[in-house]
Amino acid sequence: GQQLNQSPQSMFIQEGEDVSMNCTSSSIFNTWLWYKQDPGEGPVLLIALYKAGELTSNGRLTAQFGTTRKDSFLNISASIPSDVGIYFCAGRTIDSGGSNYKLTFGKGTLLTVNP
Amino acid sequence: NAGVTQTPKFQVLKTGQSMTLQCAQDMNHEYMSWYRQDPGMGLRLIHYSVGAGITDQGEVPNGYNVSRSTTEDFPLRLLSAAPSQTSVYFCASSLRLAGGRADTQYFGPGTRLTVL
Repeated sequence: GQQLNQSPQSMFIQEGEDVSMNCTSSSIFNTWLWYKQDPGEGPVLLIALYKAGELTSNGRLTAQFGTTRKDSFLNISASIPSDVGIYFCAGRTIDSGGSNYKLTFGKGTLLTVNP
Repeated sequence: NAGVTQTPKFQVLKTGQSMTLQCAQDMNHEYMSWYRQDPGMGLRLIHYSVGAGITDQGEVPNGYNVSRSTTEDFPLRLLSAAPSQTSVYFCASSLRLAGGRADTQYFGPGTRLTVL
């Protein structure tokens, strides 16, 4: 099956630093998504990317859909303590029935921010 | 709107016991799915449904059954629990857009299951 390689697995940074994480795959995806999961909660969508080369921002977060459609990255600028959590990338493809509902998730990046 | 709700929040089972994890959504979403999350493994798709009466297997379906008799509910059944099923289970739903495309997927708060 399709797999997403997400890196790094974990990051420990100081408040105010910028953060970068990425996902790569051997398969092509037509949608890339970035989720954040707080402890004890379900994942929440941060950014959705729909076109190759697309660069999208959401506050201090910026994500890009790679031009090969096989990768994506997420940047967080000027990190704050509430950025702590697990960040997941996820990709969508279109199945034979025309649906793109099924998501493939990366294994996550655990972010710790030291105040 | 309550969004996606899951019950129970925590559950401890003995090996061989059966139980049903409940999932409901009040957003009239056609698409629903179940994932399990294990440390270092991300979220893996167990089963999903594209509408009432229609279900299909995901990446890790063995040991789990599902049914979708209504749009709102998508229960996950463990017929004979095993320690390997100790995990956090998430239910998710999304709206079906024109052409079968899926809108944003919303997740429930999760059920933490331990099988002894």
